[in-house]
Amino acid sequence: DGGITQSPKYLFRKEGQNVTLSCEQNLNHDAMYWYRQDPGQGLRLIYYSQIVNDFQKGDIAEGYSVSREKKESFPLTVTSAQKNPTAFYLCASSDLGNQPQHFGDGTRLSIL
Amino acid sequence: KQEVTQIPAALSVPEGENLVLNCSFTDSAIYNLQWFRQDPGKGLTSLLLIQSSQREQTSGRLNASLDKSSGRSTLYIAASQPGDSATYLCAVRPQETSGSRLTFGEGTQLTVNP
Repeated sequence: DGGITQSPKYLFRKEGQNVTLSCEQNLNHDAMYWYRQDPGQGLRLIYYSQIVNDFQKGDIAEGYSVSREKKESFPLTVTSAQKNPTAFYLCASSDLGNQPQHFGDGTRLSIL
Repeated sequence: KQEVTQIPAALSVPEGENLVLNCSFTDSAIYNLQWFRQDPGKGLTSLLLIQSSQREQTSGRLNASLDKSSGRSTLYIAASQPGDSATYLCAVRPQETSGSRLTFGEGTQLTVNP
């Protein structure tokens, strides 16, 4: 059935290492988003994309990178430049316009 | 810059009680407001979306209202059940931004005691 799949569920990063979080959707949505959630806080937007091969920075893009080569996929790379990467990462998608966002189950990233 | 605030941060009620969760936002120029539920360690589940032209939306025991001019929304939960225990988040889509991006509040953690 239709939905958003994030993998892996848990991820550990070593110092100086880049890691990539996967997000795939089969809802045929044009727009996709990455959010970061810290304990007891709301979600903050990292990057979003409205169309293939195009994406925009959100509020906290520093230390992160994304690509949108396919409509259904929007991977997020947490680079070594992100000094405080420990958080819960959520991917979402939506149709364009005034439509609700749908979320995956998240990836929890920790530092070794 | 749009800011979203949710009060209270945590709420504990006995089963069967009706309750209200509050959400306020600083800029009334919004496209819509969305209420989500988040279970521990999980993603967000969309509960209700209210367009800026609407006053309320209902789904089962849930009713969300929107007063755009005063920058307020409420989520009313009738006859609460232990299964309603979760964190409830509201989010607004500001008019001045593109790409359907949302600004979230910090959430209200609800516990319904049997």
